[in-house]
Formats: sequence, C-alpha cells, structure tokens
Amino acid sequence: DAGVIQSPRHEVTEMGQEVTLRCKPISGHNSLFWYRQTMMRGLELLIYFNNNVPIDDSGMPEDRFSAKMPNASFSTLKIQPSEPRDSAVYFCASSQGLNEQFFGPGTRLTVL
Amino acid sequence: DAKTTQPPSMDCAEGRAANLPCNHSTISGNEYVYWYRQIHSQGPQYIIHGLKNNETNEMASLIITEDRKSSTLILPHATLRDTAVYYCIVREYNFNKFYFGSGTKLNVKP
Repeated sequence: DAGVIQSPRHEVTEMGQEVTLRCKPISGHNSLFWYRQTMMRGLELLIYFNNNVPIDDSGMPEDRFSAKMPNASFSTLKIQPSEPRDSAVYFCASSQGLNEQFFGPGTRLTVL
Repeated sequence: DAKTTQPPSMDCAEGRAANLPCNHSTISGNEYVYWYRQIHSQGPQYIIHGLKNNETNEMASLIITEDRKSSTLILPHATLRDTAVYYCIVREYNFNKFYFGSGTKLNVKP
C-alpha cells in the first residue's frame, strides 16, 4: 500500500495567488482529515470528512480556505487568496472509521 | 483543546528503555489514550492506544494507571531512530477528532 499521497510536496507562491493542495487517502478508508502545522500553533485539525461528506470544519481558519472531497479517493484543500500567514506544513490523514489515522508526508507551503 | 500534559523534552540513552509520561487528569470513562510520534517534519505516526488496560505491540507498551489519570509510553530499547516528538492524545470513543498538544521531544543519545 502506498499510504496517503499528497501533492505537491513543496509549494512556493506569492501572496494573493490561489493554492490547491491534493490528497489521495488509503484505499478503503472512509474518513479523511486535513491538518495544518506551524511552530506557533502546533498541529491543528482544519476539517474532516466521513464518506466524502464534511463533518466538522470548525478548524478552518476563514473563508479563504475551502476543502472538497468529490470521491472516496481524492480531496483538495484550497486557499484563495493566499497570505504569508498561511505558510505552514499541511498534512492529510485518513482512517477506517474510528481506527487510527494514517498521515501523509505533508505539503510545505510558503507564501511570499 | 488538548486534554493532556507532557514534559517538553526528555533524554534517553540508546539501548535503554524510554519512559514517556502523560497526565490526563480530566479524562472521562469513554475516552481513549492514543500515542503518536512525529519524526523530523514527517507526518505523525500511530504508535499505540488504550482505554484502561495496559497494551503492548511491536513498537511500544502503554501503561495506564488504575484511575486513568495518567499513562506512560514505554519504548523498551530506544534507538537513535526513535528521536522524535511524542504526542499523547485523549480521544472520545465516538468522536473522530484528535487534538495534538505540544508533545515531548525525545532525544535518544548514543
């Protein structure tokens, strides 16, 4: 099994640009999570989906952030417009129900 | 909000047991204790979890006190590759959300 796949691994963009992060969960997992990690705030849950439906988006910082899961094998996290304070490592994780979560390698985002 | 308290850092000699403590004094009866670790900016990795009984797997052992207010993760023979940040997390049984606190940075030294 390839594990959770995230792309791109690194993204450098300029303030105001749109950024799209992608995630492919482990096959057979029905829950998907997006986290953000910064030095200041640590690892924070942004949103999670169950069976492709967003269940809890209370961690999404503001309207500039949106996430979608059009099918069981793909999810996106979009930031539009991006700001320097969005610079962080974004992790995607998946699980089978309430079992342990498996994390991807992360996307390191730098907004200049 | 994280419901756990962990020391910010610990040292351990290679080959010795690493005992990482975690305080979760407000834990309720339907909450599990989970341990994850994060090695140098990689994605967090699941280690072990338990409810009230002690648990052991190929990676570690989890000792939960009888009153469940604290627990200890034991790595029986620490190696340099075990250097990482270790997170202790309390999760409600039917609630699929993890709150990661600051964790403990374990430094395994030769």
